[in-house]
Amino acid sequence: AQSVTQLDSQVPVFEEAPVELRCNYSSSVSVYLFWYVQYPNQGLQLLLKYLSGSTLVESINGFEAEFNKSQTSFHLRKPSVHISDTAEYFCAVSDDGGSQGNLIFGKGTKLSVKP
Amino acid sequence: DSGVTQTPKHLITATGQRVTLRCSPRSGDLSVYWYQQSLDQGLQFLIQYYNGEERAKGNILERFSAQQFPDLHSELNLSSLELGDSALYFCASSLAGVVDEQFFGPGTRLTVL
Repeated sequence: AQSVTQLDSQVPVFEEAPVELRCNYSSSVSVYLFWYVQYPNQGLQLLLKYLSGSTLVESINGFEAEFNKSQTSFHLRKPSVHISDTAEYFCAVSDDGGSQGNLIFGKGTKLSVKP
Repeated sequence: DSGVTQTPKHLITATGQRVTLRCSPRSGDLSVYWYQQSLDQGLQFLIQYYNGEERAKGNILERFSAQQFPDLHSELNLSSLELGDSALYFCASSLAGVVDEQFFGPGTRLTVL
């Protein structure tokens, strides 16, 4: 079965600084990869996803993630963060590499952006 | 607003009791997922229904059960409640399978005293 590791439980950064949130998954078989964001007192929202094709995927609010098959990683990056990016970020992977599986979530990384 | 509704928003009950959480998916979505979020376990997938049929099962206890009705709304039943069942329970819906974006509801916060 798949597993997802988010190495950092909390990441504090200053506004306008770059940030990288790390995510590794366990299997090297074909997978679908997702990043979800949870703002305080809200449900999760999809930030971006990798299904196939270009290994670099982008979101509308400046985040990007790169699928690295050899390192089984899908790290999330943003070159310059805003206060409004303060939230918890979850990496997720499909559990069997197929379109019928369910998602396995990491334990989340709390991003705290300070002025 | 994701379009997914969950009721109730908060639920406080005692150990040994039984509760039912309700979820209405987004219009047009056929899949419903249930998740449990707690501080120690993180976000755990419980179960998925697709068009009324159970499709996938995760870390769901035998004391928990779920169903999806013909109108596609879903209910999660939790029985013989224990203190450790206190958590935030999320429902999500998607068009069909795992490649589709899951839209999460606001959650039901369950407190077992």
